[in-house]
Amino acid sequence: NAGVTQTPKFRILKIGQSMTLQCAQDMNHNYMYWYRQDPGMGLKLIYYSVGAGITDKGEVPNGYNVSRSTTEDFPLRLELAAPSQTSVYFCASLGANQPQHFGDGTRLSIL
Amino acid sequence: QKEVEQNSGPLSVPEGAIASLNCTYSDRGSQSFFWYRQYSGKSPELIMSIYSNGDKEDGRFTAQLNKASQYVSLLIRDSQPSDSATYLCAVRGANNLFFGTGTRLTVIP
Repeated sequence: NAGVTQTPKFRILKIGQSMTLQCAQDMNHNYMYWYRQDPGMGLKLIYYSVGAGITDKGEVPNGYNVSRSTTEDFPLRLELAAPSQTSVYFCASLGANQPQHFGDGTRLSIL
Repeated sequence: QKEVEQNSGPLSVPEGAIASLNCTYSDRGSQSFFWYRQYSGKSPELIMSIYSNGDKEDGRFTAQLNKASQYVSLLIRDSQPSDSATYLCAVRGANNLFFGTGTRLTVIP
């Protein structure tokens, strides 16, 4: 039981490049989330999903896209990377009557 | 008004002392409350959950909930340098957990 798995752990992008941050969970949780955390700051919700085929915007969705084709996977897409997207990205999942489980994070730098 | 508010700190306590972390929330109907610990460069990890009014103890940690006052706290007894981290309060909403911005705790040896 791996919990929430994020890949890659680190990535450096050039401005304007695109990439997908992968997130998978094996706990059969319906709810999944993407957060970003800038240095010394709290968690900001980017997008979330309450089940396969359903996604919704969080607090800071601009510049990102998500999809949820299966219960297990919730990838986050950056289409045109900008320096302001340099951050640590956390994926999390939540089951009924359970606390939220976080992945180990992806450290993304955009230069 | 933010959903969940915490004292931003930082909070410094000497080793062996009690550290007290506080959190207030705005949704009176909230039923589930959590404390996460986040070490620098790591992901948040759950350390306590509480659902009923009163105290819940787990080792050196005690969570306290007062729904009437919309207040939840975390006490760390016999604080250790390894407790130095940022502590996040979270309250469950309909589809999400609402997080506070965290309180940074430093335990001084």
